Amino acid sequence: SQQGEEDPQALSIQEGENATMNCSYKTSINNLQWYRQNSGRGLVHLILIRSNEREKHSGRLRVTLDTSKKSSSLLITASRAADTASYFCATGKTSYDKVIFGPGTSLSVIP
Amino acid sequence: SAVISQKPSRDICQRGTSLTIQCQVDSQVTMMFWYRQQPGQSLTLIATANQGSEATYESGFVIDKFPISRPNLTFSTLTVSNMSPEDSSIYLCSVVRDRLTDTQYFGPGTRLTVL
Repeated sequence: SQQGEEDPQALSIQEGENATMNCSYKTSINNLQWYRQNSGRGLVHLILIRSNEREKHSGRLRVTLDTSKKSSSLLITASRAADTASYFCATGKTSYDKVIFGPGTSLSVIP
Repeated sequence: SAVISQKPSRDICQRGTSLTIQCQVDSQVTMMFWYRQQPGQSLTLIATANQGSEATYESGFVIDKFPISRPNLTFSTLTVSNMSPEDSSIYLCSVVRDRLTDTQYFGPGTRLTVL
């Protein structure tokens, strides 16, 4: 299965700290996407990183991709209470196609 | 980003009945996807909805249980048939809007509760 795994399953940090979530996958990919979901609501797309990229930034978010280890990490710097949510990685095996989700990390940011 | 709407946003249904969920996109897209998110779980792909041909189902999902229609490039429906409490989930449709970005956008989801 292409579906990856994420760790940790749950993460609790104080506001202002950095949060790092990891995602691993099993097969070669074209792209990897990170999503946020607040309390069972809709998914918000955060970042897409392609297999030929190693790092991308978007505001307080930094995503890295190591294709040799088949892993990615999402770093949220200077976390806020509003960052409390579930975070999912999803991998696309080919371009313009379906993505397969990892189990997700539940992040709690304590004010 | 793509604007995707789903109807209904939520429903409570009786065991043994069926519910059809609609997904409307604001522009033409080649492929649409249907996902299920069971309580406290991640998303699982149900099927790829192809315009003009039958949907392609993932392992563990069958057409008799989850029939899908794709009459044009902006619309799709997913029916959850002969429902049981185990079908209580959030059902989401998604699209990849263009080949340049590969970003997959999701609708707001339909929260289904089966009693």
